[in-house]
Order: sequence, then C-alpha cells, then structure tokens
Amino acid sequence: KAGVTQTPRYLIKTRGQQVTLSCSPISGHRSVSWYQQTPGQGLQFLFEYFSETQRNKGNFPGRFSGRQFSNSRSEMNVSTLELGDSALYLCASSATGRSFETQYFGPGTRLLVL
Amino acid sequence: DQQVKQNSPSLSVQEGRISILNCDYTNSMFDYFLWYKKYPAEGPTFLISISSIKDKNEDGRFTVFLNKSAKHLSLHIVPSQPGDSAVYFCAASGTGNQFYFGTGTSLTVIP
Repeated sequence: KAGVTQTPRYLIKTRGQQVTLSCSPISGHRSVSWYQQTPGQGLQFLFEYFSETQRNKGNFPGRFSGRQFSNSRSEMNVSTLELGDSALYLCASSATGRSFETQYFGPGTRLLVL
Repeated sequence: DQQVKQNSPSLSVQEGRISILNCDYTNSMFDYFLWYKKYPAEGPTFLISISSIKDKNEDGRFTVFLNKSAKHLSLHIVPSQPGDSAVYFCAASGTGNQFYFGTGTSLTVIP
C-alpha cells in the first residue's frame, strides 16, 4: 500500500498571501488529521476530517481551514499568511479515526513565510 | 495547555546501552498511547503503542511501559543503535479522535 502523500513538499510565500496544501491518505483510510510542527512546540493539532466532515478542531485561528473530498483526499488552506505560520505541516491518516487506531503520517510540507 | 510533556529535549547514549525516553501526561481520560520516531525532512513514523489496560508492550528492541497512577510512560530501547538517532514523540488519545503530542526528545546514539 502506498503511504500518505503530501504536496507540495516545500513552499515559500510572503506575508498576506494564502496557501493550499494537499494530502492523500492511505488507500481505504477515511480519517485525515492535520498538524503544525514548530521548533519547541511539538505537533499541534489543527483539525480532523472524516467522510468530508470536520469532526474536531484545535486552537488555531479561523485563517486555518480545511476540507475533505469524497475520495478522502484533504486540503488545508491558510489565508493572510503571517511570519509565525512558517512551520512543517503534517497530515496523518487512519481508517476511521477512532481511539486505538494508529495514525500514519506523510512527509510533511515545509512552509516558509517571508 | 500541554497535556503531554516530554521534559528532556535531548538524550545521548552509547551504542549498545539502554535508551530511556520519558513522557508525562495530565489527562486521566487518555487511554491509548503511542511513540513515533522522526528523522529530519520526514514525517513521524509509528513505533509502538500501548492501551491503558496494559502496563507493558514489547516489540523487538522497543518496550513501552505505562504507569497510569503516575500518568507516566517510557520507551526503552535495548540495545541502542546509531540508526536509532532521531526525534521521538509520545502521543496520547482519549475517547475523542484527537491525538496530543509531546514536544519530542532528540536521541543521539554515539558509536
């Protein structure tokens, strides 16, 4: 089985722009979660989608949004970029997102905001 | 509010010795715990997990111990190998579908 894929791998944007990141989960997985990783902060949960519905959301401003398509692929959008949005954005998939399920991560998208 | 904490940002161990990575959590509702390993420029890779009904789970050189009363888990790597050098994250989840991650411990295994 192919793993979780994320595109693009690297991105450079300037303040005020918006960006869209894409994640394709493992085939058959219907739950996709997004995380932001910054130095010293670990992985901060952004949101989780299951069957095209956002089920859970972390403590991030409304500039961060996402969606999931019928094929379980997910996109994350960040509008009005700020310097502090520079981070590694990771997505993870699992079969149903229930407890006791392992999440499998993609390689991440490294976003640099100038 | 960091519900999962890894208080040691880094750890150095000689090859062949035991590596012990620690993790503390605050939420007593957490019932599933995982360890991930992360190399630079890659996403975290699942290593080992444990549910709250157990206090130990072993997989090869890796063993995870859970002490629910202390809200503490640890990962033991025996024997440590240079290829184990990476950042290790612990994670926890409860009845919801959200995982909480620690800030990571960077392990260096010295040949």
